[in-house]
Amino acid sequence: DTGVSQNPRHKITKRGQNVTFRCDPISEHNRLYWYRQTLGQGPEFLTYFQNEAQLEKSRLLSDRFSAERPKGSFSTLEIQRTEQGDSAMYLCASRIPPTDTQYFGPGTRLTVL
Amino acid sequence: QKEVEQNSGPLSVPEGAIASLNCTYSDRGSQSFFWYRQYSGKSPELIMSIYSNGDKEDGRFTAQLNKASQYVSLLIRDSQPSDSATYLCAVNTNDYKLSFGAGTTVTVRA
Repeated sequence: DTGVSQNPRHKITKRGQNVTFRCDPISEHNRLYWYRQTLGQGPEFLTYFQNEAQLEKSRLLSDRFSAERPKGSFSTLEIQRTEQGDSAMYLCASRIPPTDTQYFGPGTRLTVL
Repeated sequence: QKEVEQNSGPLSVPEGAIASLNCTYSDRGSQSFFWYRQYSGKSPELIMSIYSNGDKEDGRFTAQLNKASQYVSLLIRDSQPSDSATYLCAVNTNDYKLSFGAGTTVTVRA
């Protein structure tokens, strides 16, 4: 257990529904990252926050995706109008400068039917 | 060209043998390199980080970095069945986001 928690751990939804995932980083970590991992691939960067500021978003993050970190603590990732191609493991990681090691949470596995 | 490439697996080794994993990266400006282990259905777990050219040893694991060749490797000595997992090579890009390879799956046969 790295100290990063994610909820829910599993989510099954029907195509077209909205889903929201939550990540609670290690308490003193001010950098928070979201990644997506599909079967047989490594995680792919989606977005990251420094405190409450979202500093970068990947091209993978379509308009249906939105992420927030309102008070610089936990973060949420919402997917609107889910598609079958959104089925993946969504991973959250956190770190605190000056170290560059990222610690991953257990992930949320999304299945879109 | 992918940013990070790993030798394709799966890699099967007998118990007690050395497993050798390779990784190349494209961004010559990369400064930090990581090896994560991922068990099936679980999230990545950091096992090694390396920042300077040469070798870094931690228990049965040795990471090797050659920035001139843009090459990182991981050796697992005295492989155990519990080492059976997918090993992900990761490289820090701008703003410290990680770029991962696709992973190499290692199976240690008893």
